[in-house]
Order: sequence, then C-alpha cells, then structure tokens
Amino acid sequence: QSVLTQPPSASGTPGQRVTISCSGSSSNIGSNTVNWYHQLPGTAPKLLIYSNNQRPSGVPDRFSGSKSGTSASLAISGLQSEDEADFYCAAWDDSLNGYVFGTGTKVTVL
Amino acid sequence: EVQLVQSGAEVKKPGESLKISCKGSGYSFTSSWIAWVRQMPGKGLEWMGIIYPGDSDTRYSPSFLGQVIMSADKSISTAYLQWNSLKASDTAMYYCARRDSSGNQSWFDPWGQGTLVTVSS
Repeated sequence: QSVLTQPPSASGTPGQRVTISCSGSSSNIGSNTVNWYHQLPGTAPKLLIYSNNQRPSGVPDRFSGSKSGTSASLAISGLQSEDEADFYCAAWDDSLNGYVFGTGTKVTVL
Repeated sequence: EVQLVQSGAEVKKPGESLKISCKGSGYSFTSSWIAWVRQMPGKGLEWMGIIYPGDSDTRYSPSFLGQVIMSADKSISTAYLQWNSLKASDTAMYYCARRDSSGNQSWFDPWGQGTLVTVSS
C-alpha cells in the first residue's frame, strides 16, 4: 500500500489556485527529494515536477512544487480545464529501499 | 528523443505465462535503470522494481518479489517483465519508466505508453 498520503480529490474553477498535499515520513520525504507525476485520463503518467521544485522542459510555470520536513505540496495556479487529471507525489524510501508513490489526487475543474 | 515503447495488450488465462517488453531508444540503454509500475483498474500507481540493463542488477519491491521476473536484453535495448503463472489479480496496466538522475536525486522520465494485461478464464 502507499506510504505517501494525498487527499483523494481537489477542485477549483478556471483561474483559481489549487494545492495538493503529500504527507510522508523521515525515511522518504524527510530524507529524499519529491517528484510529482500527472496522469491525464487514459494516458500514461508523465513527470510534472522533479527534485521538489524543478519543472521539466515544457511544463508551464503554473505548476510549482515545494517541500518542508516530511511533507510536500503541489500548487496549480490559473487552473485550466486541461488540468483535469490524477496527480501523484513520489519519493525514494530508504527503509523500504524502493520508490513509493502517493495515494493520488483527482483534480476536477468545476 | 528519449522514448520507451511497450508491447501490445495481452489477454491470458489463469496459470498461463507471459512476457511483456519495453524498448528504449534515443539514449544509452545500458546506462539507465528501468522501472516497472503497476496500475490496477481504477487504482493508483505501485512501484514493482527496477533493473539496470548494463549488468541486469535487479531490485524488487517486497510486494512483487517472487511474483514477477524482470530481465533485459541490452543487445536490442529491451527490458522485460515476466510472469510464470498468471492470476486474475494480475489484471492491470503495466508501465515501464526510465530513471533519470542528478547527483543523489532521481525521478522517472519518460514513461512507456503502458501494456494492458487481462487475465480471465
């Protein structure tokens, strides 16, 4: 089961700012960097944020990531209809000696 | 362009064997770890394990150790995920993804398009 906890859902109207939290522990978020992936309906996951707050080429600056202690968060500003997707945080876990994903958050644009 | 292309959808019966593939291109296949990720219908992402095609060093998630076999053929830049005896509970979408890194930080990018495995009698 997932060791990183996210809210199951988040929503906002176009143009609003939405924030997704990701709670972990000292063995994962507390000691490793956090990555975020998003998965549009019917498609493969795609890297959205790496190393806590870095955007890959092509990812709009509306998406931003941050980390503090054993928690991380993803913010989407200027929400757009095409942002409707599932979002997952992830990090390496030193105790499990493997990679762990968050429980996932479904973002809905109202 | 770095790309991972997976084999097509499979429909199998319980007890049958299966091997799905993930072919890398646009980068040095032997120099990057490849991970496998399971997504059961309507569920989240689960990390199954990772293989280094350069020497076939493999690390399994405890949840999948003994359930699947990861392998790679570096001569054709292809990683594999194999089952010897499928169960209905193996029905899922399976993704491969390349590990990228900088120093001691790493992430997975890009991902393959996914292979849907359906196990039903």
